[in-house]
Amino acid sequence: DTAVSQTPKYLVTQMGNDKSIKCEQNLGHDTMYWYKQDSKKFLKIMFSYNNKELIINETVPNRFSPKSPDKAHLNLHINSLELGDSAVYFCASSQGLDIQYFGAGTRLSVL
Amino acid sequence: SQQGEEDPQALSIQEGENATMNCSYKTSINNLQWYRQNSGRGLVHLILIRSNEREKHSGRLRVTLDTSKKSSSLLITASRAADTASYFCAPYQAGTALIFGKGTTLSVSS
Repeated sequence: DTAVSQTPKYLVTQMGNDKSIKCEQNLGHDTMYWYKQDSKKFLKIMFSYNNKELIINETVPNRFSPKSPDKAHLNLHINSLELGDSAVYFCASSQGLDIQYFGAGTRLSVL
Repeated sequence: SQQGEEDPQALSIQEGENATMNCSYKTSINNLQWYRQNSGRGLVHLILIRSNEREKHSGRLRVTLDTSKKSSSLLITASRAADTASYFCAPYQAGTALIFGKGTTLSVSS
């Protein structure tokens, strides 16, 4: 059983489109995260939710909107995709803010 | 939240050699964590050292922590090709989120 799973694994889309990435964790954790990793491998935190409440919201364009329907799920919706949004997006979860468990990543390519 | 800074940025060694990578941080911490990322994969937690510990071992991994110098090191002994990956340190303060640095990219050639 995959602990943190995200779908899709690959996403290729045109500029201007809207897309969503889904994340689910079966670890019973109360905190979930979205990270963006660019081509230089820098892993930047975007959002964090604790028990469905937004606790971290880094400087991210408001085209990115996280949604947490319950504490096991954290989805990421991106409006009006731009070339610069191309990256690998990782979901992670933790109990509190400690050791994190990562998903396998979603490679987004905006053409 | 604070970010750890790994050094060197890249390291190339032969199989069987030891690999040492360092991490520096700026403020007090509760623990410091090391993660590994294989190409195309998510990060995997390797080891956690608490602020009151100086050294910790896990298999071929040895981590040290010097809180007076605000630094940590990760030693991988007898490296294998499968150790080729990026390694990230994450200093942890209670109540704040982990922030990852740019990592050290380790290449182990056979």
